[in-house]
Amino acid sequence: DAAVTQKPRYLIKMKGQEAEMKCIPEKGHTAVFWYQQKQSKELKFLIYFQNQQPLDQIDMVKERFSAVCPSSSLCSLGIRTCEAEDSALYLCSSSTYWGGAREQYFGPGTRLTVL
Amino acid sequence: QQQVRQSPQSLTVWEGETAILNCSYENSAFDYFPWYQQFPGEGPALLIAIRSVSDKKEDGRFTIFFNKREKKLSLHITDSQPGDSATYFCAASTGANTGKLTFGHGTILRVHP
Repeated sequence: DAAVTQKPRYLIKMKGQEAEMKCIPEKGHTAVFWYQQKQSKELKFLIYFQNQQPLDQIDMVKERFSAVCPSSSLCSLGIRTCEAEDSALYLCSSSTYWGGAREQYFGPGTRLTVL
Repeated sequence: QQQVRQSPQSLTVWEGETAILNCSYENSAFDYFPWYQQFPGEGPALLIAIRSVSDKKEDGRFTIFFNKREKKLSLHITDSQPGDSATYFCAASTGANTGKLTFGHGTILRVHP
């Protein structure tokens, strides 16, 4: 089984506080993705790293989030100032390149609650 | 605009029946379609995937049927088991690019014993 690790599993912040969550991608995977999932609905793409470099991200991430992959074995996603709308499950996935497609394997997620 | 659509929103079948989950998409550039299974409190797990060069992919009780012309695909789960009760997401990506996935809203499947 794929083994993408995410910490912490649960995070509670007050509105206006900073939040940080971490992801350890599967060993040997060179691509890391972050997604946001609200109320068990569809996953929304946030940002993509390839070989630790951010190559694609949505505007919301540019404006309010901070994301880095300082090493191939650790990535982090931060929210500079939490808002109620940020309450969600944040999922990290890593992938391997396979025949033109990328199989992405997800971690268990960090559930952020903003009060 | 929802680029990947799933139907039905929820589906209930009896144990042993075949569950059919539908998915359609807008972007003709999509060429890779994975299905993910998600249980409450967990991350999505890759179940089965198909590339647009194929029209069928089978893995045990799970089969994807793909119709490129109509931009539709379906996931068939034969001999459904109560343990299959979960939310199923259809996703799509253009394999030549970043590989970021566009997800549908999901179908909640309940299998009654």
